Amino acid sequence: DAKTTQPNSMESNEEEPVHLPCNHSTISGTDYIHWYRQLPSQGPEYVIHGLTSNVNNRMASLAIAEDRKSSTLILHRATLRDAAVYYCILRENYGGSQGNLIFGKGTKLSVKP
Amino acid sequence: DTGVSQDPRHKITKRGQNVTFRCDPISEHNRLYWYRQTLGQGPEFLTYFQNEAQLEKSRLLSDRFSAERPKGSFSTLEIQRTEQGDSAMYLCASSPGLKSSYNEQFFGPGTRLTVL
Repeated sequence: DAKTTQPNSMESNEEEPVHLPCNHSTISGTDYIHWYRQLPSQGPEYVIHGLTSNVNNRMASLAIAEDRKSSTLILHRATLRDAAVYYCILRENYGGSQGNLIFGKGTKLSVKP
Repeated sequence: DTGVSQDPRHKITKRGQNVTFRCDPISEHNRLYWYRQTLGQGPEFLTYFQNEAQLEKSRLLSDRFSAERPKGSFSTLEIQRTEQGDSAMYLCASSPGLKSSYNEQFFGPGTRLTVL
């Protein structure tokens, strides 16, 4: 699986937007970009995924660079509950894929009131 | 169905003892995964089941580790002759499998193992 690079930590103020970057310069044409997050003392939870086009869901938006070598997870209004470690993961995604996730260290997001 | 459950949530044991953890996945999820997470690191893949078949094992899964999913529903992870290096959070996840075009993984809360 291709490698991702994320900042170790980021800080945000409550109710402000947060942009979490991820570099994946060796991404292959069949790799999807996945984001999971892990709240303190919990297992990881799915946030969003995409292939080429920008994606939105109720939790976040995913902006994917045109060359797909980087992406940004956008939290539109950070809340204290968004304080977590955010993982950017690449893997092939189709129904037949085994798909165990390969986690890096992620970005620890702190949200200040 | 409230999600993936794991039991126990915490386990403290002495070095050399055997421990067993249980994972109950979301109903009708075909795929079940075990991960291990140490402090400050992301989860590391251990093994994966498609129904009752164990299809892949990581090199992290030494001979002292064994996992089963006998009826394709719940799974157990046993560690024999525990060592202090086994201290970690053990996470279970499940996903729909071939019935879904996207296999989002749903994680349980984990079992925290402390080996004294």
